[in-house]
Amino acid sequence: DIQMTQSPSSLSASVKDRVTITCRASQGISNYLAWYQQKPGKVPKLLIYAASTLQSGVPSRFSGSGSGTDFTLTISSLQPEDVATYFCQKYNSAPFTFGPGTKVDIK
Amino acid sequence: QVQLQESGPGLVKPSETLSLTCTVSGYSISSGYYWGWIRQPPGKGLEWIGSIYHSGSTYYNPSLKSRITISVDTSRNQFSLKLSSVTAADTAVYYCARTHGSNWVFDYWGQGTLVTVSS
Repeated sequence: DIQMTQSPSSLSASVKDRVTITCRASQGISNYLAWYQQKPGKVPKLLIYAASTLQSGVPSRFSGSGSGTDFTLTISSLQPEDVATYFCQKYNSAPFTFGPGTKVDIK
Repeated sequence: QVQLQESGPGLVKPSETLSLTCTVSGYSISSGYYWGWIRQPPGKGLEWIGSIYHSGSTYYNPSLKSRITISVDTSRNQFSLKLSSVTAADTAVYYCARTHGSNWVFDYWGQGTLVTVSS
């Protein structure tokens, strides 16, 4: 099975900072990569799919890029409400594996 | 607005079978999409368990395949999960969710239900 890794596992940044999270697949998955945001005690929320397509209603400060094995999620200007854990998910084929998550908080 | 709600026992004994149901409102399961189960052990990451289409076609996570059964009841607009021979490692918040169109990503989620495996 394809394994998903994320880095860093956690980060702390200031409001308005640009934040980048990386997700790596152990084999190529084309652009079959999604990102989710899970706020503390809440349900995961789909942010991005097809590596770079923003889900409806998601703020434009979120963006995704990458293809093959290396992907990034960028928050262009970190806001207090972005404090959350972010997960990537590959979906080129079953099993639809999630990454271990990156916890983002405010410095 | 599509809404999903999990229901089932919050406590299951080791070696027994965990049974959960997801009731969908605001959308007819028979209209399409795959419907799935995802779990999250306390303080840990997400694990896809399996998904089902209204026709009954299923995809299961190979790591759990020998223990899981997912079924659908279109007349009640529900789908269900059974996980057999549970251990403490199956303690988790269990979510039901809908896939997004033809993509195997999850756009609508239930609130989740914590299932604890303990004697």
